[in-house]
Amino acid sequence: SAVISQKPSRDICQRGTSLTIQCQVDSQVTMMFWYRQQPGQSLTLIATANQGSEATYESGFVIDKFPISRPNLTFSTLTVSNMSPEDSSIYLCSVGSPGGTEAFFGQGTRLTVV
Amino acid sequence: GDSVTQMEGPVTLSEEAFLTINCTYTATGYPSLFWYVQYPGEGLQLLLKATKADDKGSNKGFEATYRKETTSFHLEKGSVQVSDSAVYFCALSDRGDSSYKLIFGSGTRLLVRP
Repeated sequence: SAVISQKPSRDICQRGTSLTIQCQVDSQVTMMFWYRQQPGQSLTLIATANQGSEATYESGFVIDKFPISRPNLTFSTLTVSNMSPEDSSIYLCSVGSPGGTEAFFGQGTRLTVV
Repeated sequence: GDSVTQMEGPVTLSEEAFLTINCTYTATGYPSLFWYVQYPGEGLQLLLKATKADDKGSNKGFEATYRKETTSFHLEKGSVQVSDSAVYFCALSDRGDSSYKLIFGSGTRLLVRP
């Protein structure tokens, strides 16, 4: 299994500001994933973070709004830019097991935009 | 594209009742199937998984069988406990180059009363 640490665990931010969420894994992984869980909703994949290349974004998500960094095989950041109340969600980092048969999740970052 | 459909909740049961949460999927390939659970105030945890047709995943008294002919992966438990109250997510993982990427159902909230 993989142990994933996310920081911060929660934050309350003013609209128009940006927040950077950090994800640290205890082992080297090829791909890391960022999900969003809006209040009362399911999880939606934002993007796949690949080490050494630009992140791959899912439909409806753009790099200007959610820039991602992946400087090495154990770390990634997701920034939520120019926040609005609609960005209030739980943001989760995920990695896969070798062989791709299981995904592990961080505890999530609960973001509230006021 | 691939998708997962879950029965809507909330599901309210008395302790020791039988539980079924329906999940069906649409996929072009041969996905792996998962049930994740989110207890109140906690992160997402893998409950069980199945990686090929006719596999049965099981954990903590929960079971689900990968049925390719009906494209289903229904979650069952013979006798629920109050501690099983949580949100349950069915998910699939495409076995292509993004094999760790998960597509989630909408989640089903289970409330078990004493």
